[in-house]
Amino acid sequence: NAGVTQTPKFRILKIGQSMTLQCAQDMNHNYMYWYRQDPGMGLKLIYYSVGAGITDKGEVPNGYNVSRSTTEDFPLRLELAAPSQTSVYFCASSYSGMDYGYTFGSGTRLTVV
Amino acid sequence: AQKVTQAQTEISVVEKEDVTLDCVYETRDTTYYLFWYKQPPSGELVFLIRRNSFDEQNEISGRYSWNFQKSTSSFNFTITASQVVDSAVYFCALSPRRDDKIIFGKGTRLHILP
Repeated sequence: NAGVTQTPKFRILKIGQSMTLQCAQDMNHNYMYWYRQDPGMGLKLIYYSVGAGITDKGEVPNGYNVSRSTTEDFPLRLELAAPSQTSVYFCASSYSGMDYGYTFGSGTRLTVV
Repeated sequence: AQKVTQAQTEISVVEKEDVTLDCVYETRDTTYYLFWYKQPPSGELVFLIRRNSFDEQNEISGRYSWNFQKSTSSFNFTITASQVVDSAVYFCALSPRRDDKIIFGKGTRLHILP
C-alpha cells in the first residue's frame, strides 16, 4: 500500500516551460487536492477534485490546470512557468467527509529560474 | 470566513521543557473538524490528530496533549518533556463539516535545543 505518490521529487524549470506534476493514490479515496507551500505561508489550496471527472478551483488556481480522469490520478499542469511558482507542491487525498483528514504525498520541490 | 491563526511563528525551548503551540480558528459553521499536522525537517506532512467540534474533551497521546475550547475558538497543542526529535513545523488546520477542504494556518516552527 503506497498511499499517495508524487513525482518528481525535485525539478528545475526555465521561465515559460511547461510541466506536469504527477500524483497517484491507491487507497480508493474520492477526494484529491493540490496545495502549494511557500516559506512561512502555510499551505494554500490550488485545485481539488471530489471524484473522477470533477475538479474545482481552490484559493490560488491561476497558472495551473488539473484533470481527474481516474480515481487514482490527479495531475497538476503548469503551462507557462513563472518564478512565482517556485514552491513545494503537495498532493493529498481523503475519503469524503473529513472523518480521517488527509493523506499527503511527500511533495515536489519546484524551482523556476 | 474560515481562518486559522497560529500567532507564534517560531519557538525555541530547551530539551525536556514543556511547550504549548497556540491555534485560534474562525468559522461560522457549527460543525467542523480541527487538525494538527507535523512537518519535520525531511519535509513530509504527518497527521497528528483530528477533533470533531462536538467533542470538547481534551486528548492525550503520550507526551502530546490537545486542549480544545469552543468558547475561545482555540485548539492548543502541548508537548510535555520535549525532545530534539520534536523539532518541526506544526500546522493547525480547520475543515467545516459541509466542506471537504482543509484550511491551514501558517505554521509554528519549533526548535528543541539539546
